[in-house]
Amino acid sequence: DTAVSQTPKYLVTQMGNDKSIKCEQNLGHDTMYWYKQDSKKFLKIMFSYNNKELIINETVPNRFSPKSPDKAHLNLHINSLELGDSAVYFCASSRAQDTQYFGPGTRLTVL
Amino acid sequence: GESVGLHLPTLSVQEGDNSIINCAYSNSASDYFIWYKQESGKGPQFIIDIRSNMDKRQGQRVTVLLNKTVKHLSLQIAATQPGDSAVYFCAENMGGADGLTFGKGTHLIIQP
Repeated sequence: DTAVSQTPKYLVTQMGNDKSIKCEQNLGHDTMYWYKQDSKKFLKIMFSYNNKELIINETVPNRFSPKSPDKAHLNLHINSLELGDSAVYFCASSRAQDTQYFGPGTRLTVL
Repeated sequence: GESVGLHLPTLSVQEGDNSIINCAYSNSASDYFIWYKQESGKGPQFIIDIRSNMDKRQGQRVTVLLNKTVKHLSLQIAATQPGDSAVYFCAENMGGADGLTFGKGTHLIIQP
């Protein structure tokens, strides 16, 4: 029944590690997104992706890379994790530029 | 648990009163606006949206008003209930596939 799902819900890891967060949507949407929410609750777009185009927010370090095995999935890979990467990461999806629906979030803690 | 609202504007209302949450958006070219509700530990949840060719839209207990002249958006919640307690975000879409630009968020607290 879940529309947009993410795994894991919590991720605790050491600095320098490489990790991935998975996202799946069963809404048949053609565009998926990753957002970062910081400790002050500020939400910021990181990537948007459809099967034609990847748009990257210019402030996102190239240690972050989205990977889409198919239309229903957009995973987030993070290399060489840093303390400042600690945040809650949200996946979202939409049909074209219509309403975006968000997943439950993944709380990443880098030690 | 996390302390919500320390860095956010806070609106405290009595249960049963109406709530009005305001938002100033940044881009006059934005053509689509959305209000989201985020409860603690959850993702943002869609409440209501409005396109730039409208100035008012009503849902169940919620109304969104858009004033393009001053780039202002408001969310009105009628007869506020304890379950309305959350952080509310406005978001604007400037068109294209580059995602939403979110406002800072307002923490709505319901007093019994």
